[in-house]
Amino acid sequence: DQQVKQNSPSLSVQEGRISILNCDYTNSMFDYFLWYKKYPAEGPTFLISISSIKDKNEDGRFTVFLNKSAKHLSLHIVPSQPGDSAVYFCAASGYGGSQGNLIFGKGTKLSVKP
Amino acid sequence: DADVTQTPRNRITKTGKRIMLECSQTKGHDRMYWYRQDPGLGLQLIYYSFDVKDINKGEISDGYSVSRQAQAKFSLSLESAIPNQTALYFCATSDSRQGWDNEQFFGPGTRLTVL
Repeated sequence: DQQVKQNSPSLSVQEGRISILNCDYTNSMFDYFLWYKKYPAEGPTFLISISSIKDKNEDGRFTVFLNKSAKHLSLHIVPSQPGDSAVYFCAASGYGGSQGNLIFGKGTKLSVKP
Repeated sequence: DADVTQTPRNRITKTGKRIMLECSQTKGHDRMYWYRQDPGLGLQLIYYSFDVKDINKGEISDGYSVSRQAQAKFSLSLESAIPNQTALYFCATSDSRQGWDNEQFFGPGTRLTVL
C-alpha cells in the first residue's frame, strides 16, 4: 500500500506559466516532506522541503504548500522554465516508521514547453 | 569532485552471476542507503545503514545483501542476479546531526541489466 502518492505521472506546462505538482500521503506520523528533482542519467537532487509545523515554504521560484488535514502537499513553480523539465519526486519521513528513512512517491514528469 | 560516487555506472551481466555495486562518499555522513528505481515505480529502499555497525533491511531486500566496510563506503551485492533485478540503482547519504529532517544526497546511479 502506497504511503506517498503522486497521482499524475506527467504534466505539461507552457514556459512562464505556473506548474503545480501534487502529492498525497496516508501516514499521519510523517512530519517532514521533501521534493526531489531528477534529470535523466543523474541521481535525484534535493529541491525544497517543509516540516509539519509549517504550511508553506518558499525558495525562489519554488513554493511547497502543506495541508495536514487533507494529507496533501503541492509544489508550485512560478514561472516555469524549460530547464525545469525533469521528474519530480515527493518524499516523506517521520518517526512512525524507520526513523530517518524517506518514503518516495512514484514521481511526476514535468515538461515545460518553450 | 562528486560527493557521492557509484561504480560501475553501467553493468550488463547474466542470470546467476554475482554482482557488487560500490558506493563511496566524501560528505562525512554517517547514514547510507541503497535504492532501486524501476520505470513508473519511484524509488524503493533496499537496505540502509546508520553507522558502520548497523545494517537494516528496507522495503525490497530479498535477493540483495550489503556491506558497510567503513563510514564512507557501502556496497550492494546481488548474490545470484536475475532478470527482474534489472533496474537503476542509487546510493544516498544523510547526516544524523541534521536532526529529524532527513535530506538525502544521491549518487549518479548504476544502470544494471541482467540478461
